[in-house]
Amino acid sequence: RKEVEQDPGPFNVPEGATVAFNCTYSNSASQSFFWYRQDCRKEPKLLMSVYSSGNEDGRFTAQLNRASQYISLLIRDSKLSDSATYLCVVNKDNTDKLIFGTGTRLQVFP
Amino acid sequence: GAGVSQSPSNKVTEKGKDVELRCDPISGHTALYWYRQSLGQGLEFLIYFQGNSAPDKSGLPSDRFSAERTGGSVSTLTIQRTQQEDSAVYLCASSHPGVSSYEQYFGPGTRLTVT
Repeated sequence: RKEVEQDPGPFNVPEGATVAFNCTYSNSASQSFFWYRQDCRKEPKLLMSVYSSGNEDGRFTAQLNRASQYISLLIRDSKLSDSATYLCVVNKDNTDKLIFGTGTRLQVFP
Repeated sequence: GAGVSQSPSNKVTEKGKDVELRCDPISGHTALYWYRQSLGQGLEFLIYFQGNSAPDKSGLPSDRFSAERTGGSVSTLTIQRTQQEDSAVYLCASSHPGVSSYEQYFGPGTRLTVT
């Protein structure tokens, strides 16, 4: 079983749609969780950290369910510029080493 | 402030040659990571440096790969006797554990093509 699993997609959605991505992780000792965004042929960039209580940043909402070892990202009112690959990221055990999922590709169309 | 920088941005080399890739982390970041990403694939962890601790080399794919970090700052990833399967984007990232909760900041990468 992979340490971090994501649906690779692609998710093709129209502008203005709401879309949700899910991610599961296998290591119950993980303490830090993130969503990164990677544009085509670019480096990954931090989108948002994921906190136990859930957190929101504008149109983006992240949720963590420790019991189910499950992380989600919700994007509301999708924009064309949201088209990218979204990487679910979890720290390994209780270390600062991060494990990256292979990503979920989102394509927003007009 | 300045982000993570990497050089060269692109490198084309012939099979069998050695290459060196350089990474300059964000000033003050104690942790430095190297990853590899093949076209359309996820990030593959290669090696990790944290302060003065021995590096975690568990991700290096073969003994042709090595890395060092001098003075706790700049790092060089060396690939000896390159093979075509080494072609990928090599990404470097740095972080300051304890300050930014393990967030990693990536450089733009070096695109390596082995012909």
